[in-house]
Amino acid sequence: SQKIEQNSEALNIQEGKTATLTCNYTNYSPAYLQWYRQDPGRGPVFLLLIRENEKEKRKERLKVTFDTTLKQSLFHITASQPADSATYLCALNLSGGSYIPTFGRGTSLIVHP
Amino acid sequence: SQTIHQWPATLVQPVGSPLSLECTVEGTSNPNLYWYRQAAGRGLQLLFYSVGIGQISSEVPQNLSASRPQDRQFILSSKKLLLSDSGFYLCAWRSQGADGYTFGSGTRLTVV
Repeated sequence: SQKIEQNSEALNIQEGKTATLTCNYTNYSPAYLQWYRQDPGRGPVFLLLIRENEKEKRKERLKVTFDTTLKQSLFHITASQPADSATYLCALNLSGGSYIPTFGRGTSLIVHP
Repeated sequence: SQTIHQWPATLVQPVGSPLSLECTVEGTSNPNLYWYRQAAGRGLQLLFYSVGIGQISSEVPQNLSASRPQDRQFILSSKKLLLSDSGFYLCAWRSQGADGYTFGSGTRLTVV
């Protein structure tokens, strides 16, 4: 069966450090992968999309990598701030299929001042 | 500007009662609209999506239904709620060519 795995344990880091979150998938051939941020009691907010032919994408302090051989995406936040504390979700779209993404359960990031 | 409205924000309903959640989108036409549910400690589960008025696709068989009576309106309904229907319901849309989805603020439904 198809599966998306994100670390269920919260990631605790110190302010100023780089946070790295992982998204692994099995039995997918995604055309692209998305990352979202979700704050408690709120809807997810889209951050970045990376396509299968892209190795890396950057947006301000955010960097996403996509390794289709390892079936893994890494999401980095550099110079992290307490305001970056939230749950981060990855979502995959099937190659050649509809655009509708399937979401992982998310990983909670806590940045300590 | 393009916005998405979802209401109510919270809802407590008894088992067996009906449900109606509404989602409207402004500033766009013919959007693709989606209903997701997020149960505690679980990922977002796609319930329904619609590519146009009267066109509904169901992803998960259950006692919920959806309707799209107008281009920018998407309604989630149930005739009789179950305890397992409790969760955080999110409406979303995606404009053509956009990289990501835009989600509403969600409705926290508690069935008691």
